[in-house]
Amino acid sequence: SQQGEEDPQALSIQEGENATMNCSYKTSINNLQWYRQNSGRGLVHLILIRSNEREKHSGRLRVTLDTSKKSSSLLITASRAADTASYFCATDESTALIFGKGTTLSVSS
Amino acid sequence: ETGVTQSPTHLIKTRGQQVTLRCSSQSGHNTVSWYQQALGQGPQFIFQYYREEENGRGNFPPRFSGLQFPNYSSELNVNALELDDSALYLCASRNDRGATYEQYFGPGTRLTVT
Repeated sequence: SQQGEEDPQALSIQEGENATMNCSYKTSINNLQWYRQNSGRGLVHLILIRSNEREKHSGRLRVTLDTSKKSSSLLITASRAADTASYFCATDESTALIFGKGTTLSVSS
Repeated sequence: ETGVTQSPTHLIKTRGQQVTLRCSSQSGHNTVSWYQQALGQGPQFIFQYYREEENGRGNFPPRFSGLQFPNYSSELNVNALELDDSALYLCASRNDRGATYEQYFGPGTRLTVT
Protein backbone atom coordinates (compact mmCIF):
# COMPACT_ATOMS: atom_id res chain seq x y z
CA SER A 1 0.00 0.00 0.00
CA GLN A 2 1.16 3.55 -0.62
CA GLN A 3 0.50 5.98 2.19
CA GLY A 4 1.89 9.16 0.78
CA GLU A 5 0.82 10.89 -2.39
CA GLU A 6 3.00 13.59 -3.87
CA ASP A 7 1.70 16.50 -5.86
CA PRO A 8 2.39 17.49 -8.58
CA GLN A 9 3.48 14.32 -10.38
CA ALA A 10 5.84 16.36 -12.55
CA LEU A 11 7.32 19.84 -12.26
CA SER A 12 9.46 21.76 -14.76
CA ILE A 13 11.20 24.97 -13.77
CA GLN A 14 14.16 27.17 -14.72
CA GLU A 15 17.37 27.35 -12.79
CA GLY A 16 17.14 29.84 -9.96
CA GLU A 17 13.42 29.34 -9.41
CA ASN A 18 11.92 27.73 -6.35
CA ALA A 19 10.30 24.27 -6.48
CA THR A 20 7.52 23.21 -4.15
CA MET A 21 6.30 19.65 -3.79
CA ASN A 22 3.47 18.48 -1.60
CA CYS A 23 2.78 15.19 0.11
CA SER A 24 -0.42 13.93 1.70
CA TYR A 25 -0.70 10.86 3.88
CA LYS A 26 -3.51 8.89 5.46
CA THR A 27 -2.70 7.72 8.97
CA SER A 28 -0.97 9.23 11.99
CA ILE A 29 2.82 9.27 11.83
CA ASN A 30 5.88 9.47 14.06
CA ASN A 31 7.94 11.23 11.45
CA LEU A 32 8.01 11.99 7.75
CA GLN A 33 11.04 11.82 5.52
CA TRP A 34 11.90 13.14 2.08
CA TYR A 35 14.19 11.27 -0.32
CA ARG A 36 15.67 12.09 -3.72
CA GLN A 37 16.29 9.59 -6.51
CA ASN A 38 18.40 10.31 -9.56
CA SER A 39 17.62 8.43 -12.78
CA GLY A 40 16.19 5.26 -11.24
CA ARG A 41 19.14 4.72 -8.91
CA GLY A 42 19.29 4.55 -5.11
CA LEU A 43 17.43 6.93 -2.87
CA VAL A 44 19.23 9.62 -0.92
CA HIS A 45 17.82 10.83 2.38
CA LEU A 46 17.20 14.58 2.39
CA ILE A 47 15.46 15.47 5.62
CA LEU A 48 13.36 14.02 8.43
CA ILE A 49 10.69 15.97 10.29
CA ARG A 50 9.11 14.62 13.45
CA SER A 51 5.39 14.75 14.14
CA ASN A 52 5.87 17.42 16.83
CA GLU A 53 7.80 19.71 14.47
CA ARG A 54 6.18 22.15 12.07
CA GLU A 55 9.10 23.30 9.97
CA LYS A 56 12.66 22.25 9.34
CA HIS A 57 15.49 23.63 7.21
CA SER A 58 18.54 22.05 5.67
CA GLY A 59 20.57 24.17 3.29
CA ARG A 60 18.29 25.10 0.38
CA LEU A 61 15.58 22.73 1.61
CA ARG A 62 12.63 23.72 3.72
CA VAL A 63 10.09 21.15 4.90
CA THR A 64 6.80 21.85 6.61
CA LEU A 65 4.47 19.43 8.30
CA ASP A 66 0.80 19.92 9.11
CA THR A 67 -0.42 16.89 11.06
CA SER A 68 -3.98 18.24 11.24
CA LYS A 69 -4.16 18.16 7.44
CA LYS A 70 -1.90 15.12 7.14
CA SER A 71 0.29 16.94 4.68
CA SER A 72 3.88 18.03 4.17
CA SER A 73 5.66 20.23 1.68
CA LEU A 74 9.22 20.33 0.41
CA LEU A 75 10.56 23.63 -0.88
CA ILE A 76 13.83 23.75 -2.81
CA THR A 77 15.03 27.32 -3.17
CA ALA A 78 17.23 28.65 -5.99
CA SER A 79 17.01 25.39 -7.95
CA ARG A 80 19.98 24.09 -9.92
CA ALA A 81 20.16 21.69 -12.85
CA ALA A 82 21.66 19.14 -10.45
CA ASP A 83 18.35 19.14 -8.51
CA THR A 84 16.73 17.31 -11.44
CA ALA A 85 15.48 14.08 -9.88
CA SER A 86 12.45 12.34 -8.44
CA TYR A 87 11.44 13.29 -4.91
CA PHE A 88 9.54 10.99 -2.56
CA CYS A 89 7.98 11.48 0.81
CA ALA A 90 7.95 8.49 3.14
CA THR A 91 6.11 7.78 6.36
CA ASP A 92 6.82 5.09 8.90
CA GLU A 93 4.55 2.11 9.46
CA SER A 94 5.96 -0.34 11.98
CA THR A 95 9.27 -1.47 10.45
CA ALA A 96 8.56 -0.17 6.96
CA LEU A 97 8.87 3.10 5.14
CA ILE A 98 5.81 3.76 3.02
CA PHE A 99 6.54 5.84 -0.07
CA GLY A 100 4.35 7.80 -2.42
CA LYS A 101 4.71 7.74 -6.19
CA GLY A 102 6.97 10.76 -6.19
CA THR A 103 7.32 14.10 -7.95
CA THR A 104 9.63 14.28 -10.95
CA LEU A 105 11.45 17.62 -10.96
CA SER A 106 13.16 18.90 -14.07
CA VAL A 107 15.36 22.00 -13.76
CA SER A 108 16.55 23.50 -17.01
CA SER A 109 19.42 25.95 -17.40
CA GLU B 1 27.74 7.43 -1.77
CA THR B 2 25.98 5.79 1.18
CA GLY B 3 28.36 2.87 1.76
CA VAL B 4 25.64 0.37 0.84
CA THR B 5 26.51 -1.77 -2.17
CA GLN B 6 24.39 -4.12 -4.25
CA SER B 7 25.16 -6.74 -6.84
CA PRO B 8 24.61 -7.31 -9.62
CA THR B 9 23.72 -3.96 -11.17
CA HIS B 10 21.55 -5.47 -13.87
CA LEU B 11 20.09 -8.92 -14.35
CA ILE B 12 17.94 -10.59 -16.99
CA LYS B 13 16.05 -13.75 -16.10
CA THR B 14 13.39 -15.90 -17.69
CA ARG B 15 9.94 -16.44 -16.21
CA GLY B 16 9.96 -19.37 -13.78
CA GLN B 17 13.63 -19.04 -12.89
CA GLN B 18 15.06 -18.14 -9.50
CA VAL B 19 17.25 -15.15 -8.66
CA THR B 20 19.46 -14.04 -5.77
CA LEU B 21 20.30 -10.41 -5.20
CA ARG B 22 22.98 -9.30 -2.75
CA CYS B 23 23.46 -6.31 -0.49
CA SER B 24 26.31 -5.19 1.69
CA SER B 25 25.17 -2.88 4.47
CA GLN B 26 26.88 0.24 5.64
CA SER B 27 29.43 -0.49 8.34
CA GLY B 28 27.86 -0.65 11.81
CA HIS B 29 24.31 -1.10 10.53
CA ASN B 30 22.49 -4.17 11.87
CA THR B 31 19.16 -3.70 10.13
CA VAL B 32 18.51 -4.17 6.43
CA SER B 33 15.33 -3.68 4.44
CA TRP B 34 14.48 -4.61 0.87
CA TYR B 35 12.20 -2.64 -1.42
CA GLN B 36 10.78 -3.26 -4.88
CA GLN B 37 10.30 -0.28 -7.17
CA ALA B 38 8.33 -0.77 -10.36
CA LEU B 39 8.78 1.74 -13.16
CA GLY B 40 7.10 5.04 -12.35
CA GLN B 41 6.18 3.98 -8.82
CA GLY B 42 7.57 4.56 -5.36
CA PRO B 43 9.48 1.82 -3.55
CA GLN B 44 7.36 -0.87 -1.88
CA PHE B 45 8.53 -2.56 1.30
CA ILE B 46 9.29 -6.27 0.94
CA PHE B 47 10.77 -7.16 4.34
CA GLN B 48 13.27 -6.20 7.00
CA TYR B 49 15.94 -8.20 8.80
CA TYR B 50 17.41 -7.40 12.17
CA ARG B 51 20.30 -9.44 13.53
CA GLU B 52 19.64 -12.26 11.05
CA GLU B 53 15.90 -12.55 11.73
CA GLU B 54 12.98 -11.27 9.68
CA ASN B 55 11.10 -8.72 11.80
CA GLY B 56 8.70 -7.15 9.33
CA ARG B 57 7.18 -8.05 5.99
CA GLY B 58 5.15 -6.23 3.38
CA ASN B 59 2.49 -7.60 1.08
CA PHE B 60 4.71 -9.95 -0.90
CA PRO B 61 4.21 -13.71 -1.44
CA PRO B 62 6.44 -16.35 0.23
CA ARG B 63 8.43 -16.84 -2.98
CA PHE B 64 10.20 -13.64 -1.90
CA SER B 65 12.60 -14.67 0.87
CA GLY B 66 15.70 -13.28 2.43
CA LEU B 67 18.74 -13.90 4.55
CA GLN B 68 20.93 -11.73 6.69
CA PHE B 69 24.39 -12.94 7.59
CA PRO B 70 26.47 -12.36 10.76
CA ASN B 71 28.42 -9.63 8.98
CA TYR B 72 25.03 -7.99 8.25
CA SER B 73 25.23 -8.51 4.50
CA SER B 74 21.97 -9.69 3.04
CA GLU B 75 20.36 -11.60 0.20
CA LEU B 76 16.97 -11.37 -1.47
CA ASN B 77 15.80 -14.55 -3.18
CA VAL B 78 12.88 -14.69 -5.56
CA ASN B 79 11.59 -18.05 -6.78
CA ALA B 80 9.33 -18.82 -9.75
CA LEU B 81 9.91 -15.41 -11.34
CA GLU B 82 6.96 -13.69 -12.94
CA LEU B 83 6.96 -10.91 -15.54
CA ASP B 84 5.63 -8.47 -12.89
CA ASP B 85 8.76 -9.05 -10.82
CA SER B 86 10.63 -6.85 -13.29
CA ALA B 87 11.66 -3.86 -11.18
CA LEU B 88 14.47 -2.06 -9.40
CA TYR B 89 15.30 -3.81 -6.13
CA LEU B 90 16.71 -1.61 -3.42
CA CYS B 91 18.23 -2.52 -0.11
CA ALA B 92 18.57 -0.07 2.71
CA SER B 93 20.40 -0.28 6.00
CA ARG B 94 20.30 1.53 9.32
CA ASN B 95 21.59 0.92 12.82
CA ASP B 96 18.44 0.97 14.92
CA ARG B 97 15.76 -1.69 14.96
CA GLY B 98 13.04 0.32 16.67
CA ALA B 99 12.28 3.77 15.37
CA THR B 100 12.38 4.31 11.67
CA TYR B 101 15.22 6.78 11.28
CA GLU B 102 16.79 7.60 7.98
CA GLN B 103 17.73 4.65 5.87
CA TYR B 104 20.79 4.39 3.66
CA PHE B 105 19.95 2.98 0.26
CA GLY B 106 22.14 1.10 -2.15
CA PRO B 107 22.15 1.88 -5.88
CA GLY B 108 19.77 -0.98 -6.65
CA THR B 109 19.63 -4.02 -8.91
CA ARG B 110 17.58 -3.72 -12.08
CA LEU B 111 15.86 -7.08 -12.69
CA THR B 112 14.21 -7.80 -16.01
CA VAL B 113 12.08 -10.93 -16.36
CA THR B 114 11.32 -12.06 -19.90
